[in-house]
Amino acid sequence: EAEVAQSPRYKITEKSQAVAFWCDPISGHATLYWYRQILGQGPELLVQFQDESVVDDSQLPKDRFSAERLKGVDSTLKIQPAELGDSAMYLCASSLIGDGLRAEAFFGQGTRLTVV
Amino acid sequence: GDSVTQMEGPVTLSEEAFLTINCTYTATGYPSLFWYVQYPGEGLQLLLKATKADDKGSNKGFEATYRKETTSFHLEKGSVQVSDSAVYFCALSGNQFYFGTGTSLTVIP
Repeated sequence: EAEVAQSPRYKITEKSQAVAFWCDPISGHATLYWYRQILGQGPELLVQFQDESVVDDSQLPKDRFSAERLKGVDSTLKIQPAELGDSAMYLCASSLIGDGLRAEAFFGQGTRLTVV
Repeated sequence: GDSVTQMEGPVTLSEEAFLTINCTYTATGYPSLFWYVQYPGEGLQLLLKATKADDKGSNKGFEATYRKETTSFHLEKGSVQVSDSAVYFCALSGNQFYFGTGTSLTVIP
């Protein structure tokens, strides 16, 4: 069964260091999402791509976060410099274009980031 | 803007009890509605979905009906098992996905 792949599963980094997460969506899925989930809360959208274009990055802290999806397939989310408050689960999801943007999102297993 | 309001937890039930988790939404247009489940340390898994009014989504004994008149999509299960212990998220898909805050369910033997 096709899955969304994310790596690494766990990452511990010191504050002020740079950290990067990688996501490979399900083949053929044009829409890719990055979410941040703080423990005990729901996922918060950071950025949404349609193919290689950013559709929504209004909640992305652009002073330290960046995201790219250069060839419209896999994607990288970077944080530089990391802060203690960035400790969270980072989830990647993908979906087909389908009927507008109404197709369900399929999630990867996430990257658990701990900033010390 | 679009949003989802979900019943707060945590919820603790005995095995074989009836489960209801309330979810209401606010949306422009005609969104699709979803329930996702998250087990500890894992990503979200789609549990069920409904794409239009009066649709009933069902999976693994869970059901939810898309009620446009009450803007609701409540999750129900007639007899919960210990293995159903997880966090449940209601979500809607309009221009993007919006998630509720999650409801933690613990089922005790």
